[in-house]
Amino acid sequence: KNEVEQSPQNLTAQEGEFITINCSYSVGISALHWLQQHPGGGIVSLFMLSSGKKKHGRLIATINIQEKHSSLHITASHPRDSAVYICAVRKGAQKLVFGQGTRLTINP
Amino acid sequence: NAGVTQTPKFRILKIGQSMTLQCAQDMNHNYMYWYRQDPGMGLKLIYYSVGAGITDKGEVPNGYNVSRSTTEDFPLRLELAAPSQTSVYFCASRAQEGPYGYTFGSGTRLTVV
Repeated sequence: KNEVEQSPQNLTAQEGEFITINCSYSVGISALHWLQQHPGGGIVSLFMLSSGKKKHGRLIATINIQEKHSSLHITASHPRDSAVYICAVRKGAQKLVFGQGTRLTINP
Repeated sequence: NAGVTQTPKFRILKIGQSMTLQCAQDMNHNYMYWYRQDPGMGLKLIYYSVGAGITDKGEVPNGYNVSRSTTEDFPLRLELAAPSQTSVYFCASRAQEGPYGYTFGSGTRLTVV
């Protein structure tokens, strides 16, 4: 079993829908990261969380340390949000363990 | 700021050839990393560095070498390329311990034939 599990693996939605991507992990962590990988391949860091909730524009990330679970929400989704969203947990100082990613497609 | 710059973007190597993937950052970040991303798999850590002159192995270091002679540069060397090294390689950096995120390069797509 992977240490970091994301669900769903693939998600297709219509423009304007509210999107939720989930991440569960099975190890102790010092932080959790949400990343966005564009269709061209580049990776952008969206959030780093160690507790609670963070918001940036239409994106919201939450983490529940006790339940070892994090969610990434996108409000008022847009086709430009189409990308692979990756959850990664930091174990100790340097090691990031990555989930396999969620491929999101937003249709106009 | 340019952020993290990787070169080349694409490369095809023959089995047994060698090459160096370049990575440079202009943010004065102490920590730098090399990851590989295989199709359908999460990124795996190859090597990392916590500062100039200091490097350490990650999860999948075999077949690779690194050096960190300056804060800015962290090249990854492939010796005797093998088809199993066909992958997309990402360099990343971050500032220091604490609540700081990662900055990734745009990636190098390497094919070994």
